[in-house]
This record gives sequence, C-alpha cells and structure tokens, in this order.
Amino acid sequence: DTAVSQTPKYLVTQMGNDKSIKCEQNLGHDTMYWYKQDSKKFLKIMFSYNNKELIINETVPNRFSPKSPDKAHLNLHINSLELGDSAVYFCASSQVAGAGDTQYFGPGTRLTVL
Amino acid sequence: GENVEQHPSTLSVQEGDSAVIKCTYSDSASNYFPWYKQELGKGPQLIIDIRSNVGEKKDQRIAVTLNKTAKHFSLHITETQPEDSAVYFCAATGFQKLVFGTGTRLLVSP
Repeated sequence: DTAVSQTPKYLVTQMGNDKSIKCEQNLGHDTMYWYKQDSKKFLKIMFSYNNKELIINETVPNRFSPKSPDKAHLNLHINSLELGDSAVYFCASSQVAGAGDTQYFGPGTRLTVL
Repeated sequence: GENVEQHPSTLSVQEGDSAVIKCTYSDSASNYFPWYKQELGKGPQLIIDIRSNVGEKKDQRIAVTLNKTAKHFSLHITETQPEDSAVYFCAATGFQKLVFGTGTRLLVSP
C-alpha cells in the first residue's frame, strides 16, 4: 500500500509550458505539503494545506498554484515554466498541522525544464 | 525565522565504524527535531526524532542527542552497514513548518 503517491514521477517539458503534479495520501492525514529539492539536495517547504485550507505559503512565485480538492489530495500547477523550476518536488502529509508531527514523504516528481 | 546548519556535508566510513552527524538550530522555541534518511531516487523517510523534553533517544543502532542550551543535536549511527549509505537530513520546528538542514551524504564502504 502506497502511503503518499505522486504522479508523474518524471516530467520533462519546454520553457513556457504549463504543467501539473498530483499527490494523494491514503493515511487519513489532515495536513499536506509541497517541498522543492534543488540540485544541491536542499529541501525547502513551498506550501502547506490543512483540511483543504492553505496555511503556509512561502515566498514562491505566483506561477505556482496549489489546489486541494479534498483532504487526501494536493495538486501543484505551474504556469510558464522556467529553467530554474527544474528540481525534484516532494509531496508530504502529516496527521496534524504544525511542525511537531511526523511528515511522510512521497517518492518525488523530477521536473526538468529545457 | 529558524535556521538549521548541518555538518559534515559528506561523510565516508568503513563498514562497522560509527558515524556522527551534527546540527545546530537558531530558534530557542523549537521543540521537535526529526532526522530523515533519503535513499537515491526516493523521498525522505523519518528514522528517528526527539522532542525538547528529552536529552537522548535510541533505536537499535541509531541514537539522537539534544542539547537545548547549546541548541545543537546529533545523529549517531553505530556499526554502520553499506545499506546505511544515503543522504541524511536533520530538521527543526520553525513557525508551523519544519526547517531542514542542508543534508549529509553518508557513504559506508564494505
């Protein structure tokens, strides 16, 4: 059973395109996150949703728009892709909001912008 | 906001040796300190965590120590095995989020 799943695993696209990444968790958790991991492996939070409501929005360009249709799903849409958007994007979930709870990560989506 | 520093960035040991990774944090209000292991091509996975009311925690070959006064915490892996090779991240609680260290690439040679 996959706890946190993401699709697609790999995404290769041209600059200027729009793309989406999907995330689903079957853990019954209330909170979901998007992280970006750059080429140096640095892991940084982008967004956090609790019960479908946005609670963390780091200084991320407006081209990135998360959407949570329900507690189990958190999608990330990226408009007008740029070279600097190339990274691995991880979805994660935790039982409760706030930082003091175990976060479970998905397998990641490697985005390459050409 | 919270800032987490992690050292070393790379660590090479022989199988059976011990490995120690150290982290410092800046926010004295931080109260939760997890450690994650990331294998190649996979997402980070929690291996051990410690809360601020505890100074040390152990789980088989892995232990974590916390010094709140000095604001640093460390991961100790004993009797390392090749399958311990991975990137390890420490993290500390910031405001409603986890702040991660920059990662340590551990290589265990047989």
